[in-house]
Amino acid sequence: DAGVTQSPTHLIKTRGQQVTLRCSPISGHKSVSWYQQVLGQGPQFIFQYYEKEERGRGNFPDRFSARQFPNYSSELNVNALLLGDSALYLCASIPSGTALDTQYFGPGTRLTVL
Amino acid sequence: GQQLNQSPQSMFIQEGEDVSMNCTSSSIFNTWLWYKQDPGEGPVLLIALYKAGELTSNGRLTAQFGITRKDSFLNISASIPSDVGIYFCAGQRGSNYKLTFGKGTLLTVNP
Repeated sequence: DAGVTQSPTHLIKTRGQQVTLRCSPISGHKSVSWYQQVLGQGPQFIFQYYEKEERGRGNFPDRFSARQFPNYSSELNVNALLLGDSALYLCASIPSGTALDTQYFGPGTRLTVL
Repeated sequence: GQQLNQSPQSMFIQEGEDVSMNCTSSSIFNTWLWYKQDPGEGPVLLIALYKAGELTSNGRLTAQFGITRKDSFLNISASIPSDVGIYFCAGQRGSNYKLTFGKGTLLTVNP
């Protein structure tokens, strides 16, 4: 089985632009979470989606939004990019609705904002 | 955002040595997790702990869930070069999926 896939692997944007990051969870997994990992820090929780509905949101501004599609893939959108948005964005795939489920992380998308 | 207090920040050891790192929080967690992250990769789960006082091993790795539910430690015995990487602790509360991570411990193993 394929693991968690994220695209693109790297991208460079300029301040004020908008970006869309994509995640495909492990086949059969119905939930995804998004995390932001700034260089030298641990990942910070952004969103969690289960069955296309938002289940949790971290302390991020409204410039950050996400959605989950019927096939359980997900997109993370960031508007009006700031330099501080430069980070590794991680998607975690979660099997089902049980909080004790293991979260499987993808390789991430490295976003650089100039 | 909130991050757990993880120490040490970095370690440089000789191959064959044992390693210990720990994580503390001012808040209670119901689950403690330890992840390893290699360059260019996402974190990979090493050990999950679900009960206060629980001691769990995974090969050369051993982790414990503190009885106060505010701390955890990870030990690596007889380190090898492939143990190199960044180790993160993470805590989870109740039915909330959100993971709260520490800042990581960078482990370097000298062959």
